[in-house]
Amino acid sequence: DIQMAQSPSSLSASVGDRVTITCQASQGVSFHLNWFQQKPGKAPTLLIYDASTLETGVPSRFSGSGSGTHFTLTISSLQPEDIATYYCQQYDSLPPYTFGQGTNVEIK
Amino acid sequence: QVQLVQSGAEVKKPGASVRVSCKTSGYSFTAYYLHWVRRAPGQGFEWMGWINPTSGDSKLAPKFQAGVTLTRDTSTSTAYLELTSLTPDDTATYYCAKERTRGYSNGPTDHWGQGTLVIVSS
Repeated sequence: DIQMAQSPSSLSASVGDRVTITCQASQGVSFHLNWFQQKPGKAPTLLIYDASTLETGVPSRFSGSGSGTHFTLTISSLQPEDIATYYCQQYDSLPPYTFGQGTNVEIK
Repeated sequence: QVQLVQSGAEVKKPGASVRVSCKTSGYSFTAYYLHWVRRAPGQGFEWMGWINPTSGDSKLAPKFQAGVTLTRDTSTSTAYLELTSLTPDDTATYYCAKERTRGYSNGPTDHWGQGTLVIVSS
């Protein structure tokens, strides 16, 4: 199985800060990577797919980049409503489609 | 709007079986694969498998090939996850999730059910 190493596991930042989360795949997954946001007690919501495509309705302060084995999710200006846990997931060719362990984002 | 509504929480004893339902609405049920994902307490998300609602074909991750069955009822636009021979390790929240792209099985999932907590305890 492809392993997804996500970092950091948690971060604390101020409102307005630029926040970057990284995801490293154990082997190349091309651009087949999702980023999800999950708030407590809720199901995950899709933020970005195909590594860099913003899902409809997602604020433009979220962006994704990368291909192959290294990916990043950036929040350009952290807002209070962005407090959540963020997960990457690869969906390259063969299943299982594995997830990163998550990054818990808090407001400083 | 697209909705995936799952059945309620279950408490089961070891060795029992459970069936979780995922009732969908707001889109063409047979046009989009459905995935099942679980998250055990303190653990990460695990992709379990998908079902093709048109054919009923399913594919499970190797870890879940024993004791897990995916089915669907096209007349009610509902997918089902059945777990048999439950053990405490099966305690988790189970989610269904709709494939974003029509006809694809390995793409992003754009709508998720609210999750169903299954607790296995003697």
